[in-house]
Amino acid sequence: GAGVSQSPSNKVTEKGKDVELRCDPISGHTALYWYRQSLGQGLEFLIYFQGNSAPDKSGLPSDRFSAERTGGSVSTLTIQRTQQEDSAVYLCASSIVGGRVTSGRAPYTDTQYFGPGTRLTVL
Amino acid sequence: TQLLEQSPQFLSIQEGENLTVYCNSSSVFSSLQWYRQEPGEGPVLLVTVVTGGEVKKLKRLTFQFGDARKDSSLHITAAQPGDTGLYLCAGLRKGYSTLTFGKGTMLLVSP
Repeated sequence: GAGVSQSPSNKVTEKGKDVELRCDPISGHTALYWYRQSLGQGLEFLIYFQGNSAPDKSGLPSDRFSAERTGGSVSTLTIQRTQQEDSAVYLCASSIVGGRVTSGRAPYTDTQYFGPGTRLTVL
Repeated sequence: TQLLEQSPQFLSIQEGENLTVYCNSSSVFSSLQWYRQEPGEGPVLLVTVVTGGEVKKLKRLTFQFGDARKDSSLHITAAQPGDTGLYLCAGLRKGYSTLTFGKGTMLLVSP
């Protein structure tokens, strides 16, 4: 079946402009995550949606960043007034359940399936 | 301060060699995962370990979770060019619902 898709694959913008990045998760997955990966850095968690619950926005670096998930499926990450330090690869992932999974053993997270990412360059 | 420290940051070896990469922390994790990421793609989950001292094998890859649940290692036997990629560890801390990732180890295996 189809995996997680993201668009655009590349985005070049000028400092101060707004950008929207799109993520299409795997059908039926209730959880959706956004991460940022900068050169030489690991994946930085941004935001997490699980079903109809309020999203976990604890990773958003500033109020210029926001995300929504419509109809429990497609998600859009919006960056307003982009800065050069926003340049990075933005990755989206989805999973069936999300969050902490406990099934008679230590808590873990179910498999996250990642998209190929959107490479954002802010000039 | 990075919560999960991975070492080495970069490793370049010849095909057939063995290697070990490490993921260390001063914090305790409920579980830990290892991912491999190839250029232009998202990370792909390799393994999840949930028990202190647990060892899991995936063909030529051996994963170990430390007894104290603060560290993990990935050992590759007889590395092949297809093993080339960025290896990321990610842990789930108590009270959290999201993963914390390390910066990764970039592995290059030359023929």
